[in-house]
Amino acid sequence: AQTVTQSQPEMSVQEAETVTLSCTYDTSESDYYLFWYKQPPSRQMILVIRQEAYKQQNATENRFSVNFQKAAKSFSLKISDSQLGDAAMYFCAYTYFGAQKLVFGQGTRLTINP
Amino acid sequence: DARVTQTPRHKVTEMGQEVTMRCQPILGHNTVFWYRQTMMQGLELLAYFRNRAPLDDSGMPKDRFSAEMPDATLATLKIQPSEPRDSAVYFCASGQRETQYFGPGTRLLVL
Repeated sequence: AQTVTQSQPEMSVQEAETVTLSCTYDTSESDYYLFWYKQPPSRQMILVIRQEAYKQQNATENRFSVNFQKAAKSFSLKISDSQLGDAAMYFCAYTYFGAQKLVFGQGTRLTINP
Repeated sequence: DARVTQTPRHKVTEMGQEVTMRCQPILGHNTVFWYRQTMMQGLELLAYFRNRAPLDDSGMPKDRFSAEMPDATLATLKIQPSEPRDSAVYFCASGQRETQYFGPGTRLLVL
């Protein structure tokens, strides 16, 4: 069975600093996709970044980047130059080709200290 | 900027009343998902559709919940009768190529 684990229930970082959120997953599939979603206090679920397993290059979206370690089944999110608006719950999620359904981690609550 | 829309955004109702939530998926997306989020259970998948056909509703209490997609631009989730334990945020998401985009959610409170 596919599982996603976020071992950090809470993280905090000083504004303008860099923070890394951890995520590990378990799968026997070869063609799969990994995601990070952000949920701010408004409760909106916002797609932050997407990674296809067949791509060796780590995905990047502005200040957000991932460290995808396929052999270790690790998919961490790095937020550079943290801003107050980055404060949110962050969910790591997984699916495989053709599955449609997402498997979510438990979430990491990120606090930004001014 | 294409987005998933949901109505209503907030709903307060009394136990026993019918609740209908609506979702307009992103044009061209062929999959639609309904999720429920509570503090205790986290995010739960209730049901999902592909090309308007229901594929999986195993996460949904069948006796009181129903999900339909009358056309490609509208998905509905109904609760009849509603109960206090149904209080939650209900999300609709539409998908394309394994990526899901979420709507803003409907915050439901059943008194």
